Amino acid sequence: GPKVLQIPSHQIIDMGQMVTLNCDPVSNHLYFYWYKQILGQQMEFLVNFYNGKVMEKSKLFKDQFSVERPDGSYFTLKIQPTALEDSAVYFCASSFSGGDYEQYFGPGTRLTVL
Amino acid sequence: GDSVTQTEGLVTVTEGLPVKLNCTYQTTYLTIAFFWYVQYLNEAPQVLLKSSTDNKRTEHQGFHATLHKSSSSFHLQKSSAQLSDSALYYCALRVASSSFSKLVFGQGTSLSVVP
Repeated sequence: GPKVLQIPSHQIIDMGQMVTLNCDPVSNHLYFYWYKQILGQQMEFLVNFYNGKVMEKSKLFKDQFSVERPDGSYFTLKIQPTALEDSAVYFCASSFSGGDYEQYFGPGTRLTVL
Repeated sequence: GDSVTQTEGLVTVTEGLPVKLNCTYQTTYLTIAFFWYVQYLNEAPQVLLKSSTDNKRTEHQGFHATLHKSSSSFHLQKSSAQLSDSALYYCALRVASSSFSKLVFGQGTSLSVVP
C-alpha cells in the first residue's frame, strides 16, 4: 500500500535545542497530520495541515511547535525550543482528502530530549 | 471530550484459539467512523478494519468487528489466532469538523500469540 516515510527514526537532543522532524507523505495526498505518543500512552492528535495552513490543532500543539511543507517537499514538525516533556514518538500521517479518506501513517520518529 | 478505551494492555493467546480485543468509546459526534489499526514491530500503523455502519459486521484478514452504537463498542475478534497476528492493535475513532478529520486513539493492546 501507500507508504509514508519519516526521517529520522530516532533523534536525541538536549533540552532547549531545536529539532525538525521530517515526513515524506504519500505523493498525491493533500492533507497532513502529526500525532504524538508518549511512552505507555495513546497516540494523540497534534495538528492537521492543508494548503499551506494549519486547519486544526490540539492543546498539545504548544507555541514552540510549528509545521510547514515548503515547496511540496517534506512535511515538517519543528520544535523550538524543546522541553523534557516533548520526549515521545511522533507519527506523521497523510490522506488524499480531509473528511472521509483513510489516513496513512509513517513508522514514527522517536524523540528523546535530555 | 471524545475518548476511546481499550481495557487490555496485553493479551496472550495460544495459537489456534479465539481472541477478542475490547474497544469502547465516548463521543458527541453523530457522524463517525471506527478503525482498528495494527502495528507490527518497527512498522507504521496500518488500517486493519473500518466501519461506520451500526450493527454491520466488517471482516478482513480473518479478523472481524461489529460497531454497536447501543453499547458504544467496536470489539475486534478472530476465531483462530495465528503467530503472525502478534502485534500492537489500536482502536480509533474518526471525528470530523467541516471537511477535516482527526483520529482519537485508544491506548493500544499488545497481542501475543504463543505456540
